Amino acid sequence: GENVEQHPSTLSVQEGDSAVIKCTYSDSASNYFPWYKQELGKGPQLIIDIRSNVGEKKDQRIAVTLNKTAKHFSLHITETQPEDSAVYFCAASMNSGYSTLTFGKGTMLLVSP
Amino acid sequence: NAGVTQTPKFRILKIGQSMTLQCTQDMNHNYMYWYRQDPGMGLKLIYYSVGAGITDKGEVPNGYNVSRSTTEDFPLRLELAAPSQTSVYFCASRGSGQGLQKETQYFGPGTRLLVL
Repeated sequence: GENVEQHPSTLSVQEGDSAVIKCTYSDSASNYFPWYKQELGKGPQLIIDIRSNVGEKKDQRIAVTLNKTAKHFSLHITETQPEDSAVYFCAASMNSGYSTLTFGKGTMLLVSP
Repeated sequence: NAGVTQTPKFRILKIGQSMTLQCTQDMNHNYMYWYRQDPGMGLKLIYYSVGAGITDKGEVPNGYNVSRSTTEDFPLRLELAAPSQTSVYFCASRGSGQGLQKETQYFGPGTRLLVL
């Protein structure tokens, strides 16, 4: 089955800096890659996603890049703010009807004022 | 829309007790999922359902059971609680069809379970 590795497990940055979280996946058939943000005491919430026919996607301060050949994808957050502090999860799936998401173990991002 | 709701928010069980975690969604989604989240381990899929009457095992199904009699509800049953089932449980749902929007899983707020 699919295996998703996520690094780093914790990341501390100063407000205004950029943050990068990286994930690798094992199944070359995976073609859907979402990123979820989980705030303390809440359920995960989708922040951005990408399909394998696209190399990069951007939404304001958040961007995701995908390298299919190397089987890795990354989340980039620019101009970080204290409210970006949360746990971030990457995931991968085959994007078919019965497919399920395989999650990475998460990255705790702490943005200091 | 309330989205995905879960009850209870928190529960303490004694070893060997049973309980049902409730999950309801009001988005008319076909797909529903149960995950458990342990510290530093991400989200592990327990069971999922692709529609009423259809369920299948995920990565960590042992010790759990599910049913899906309606589109809206997807309860998770623990028959003989064990300390290893201490975790936070999340229910999620998503729509069916094509497009990135249909791929989004919407999560409930979670149920924190402690087995002593």
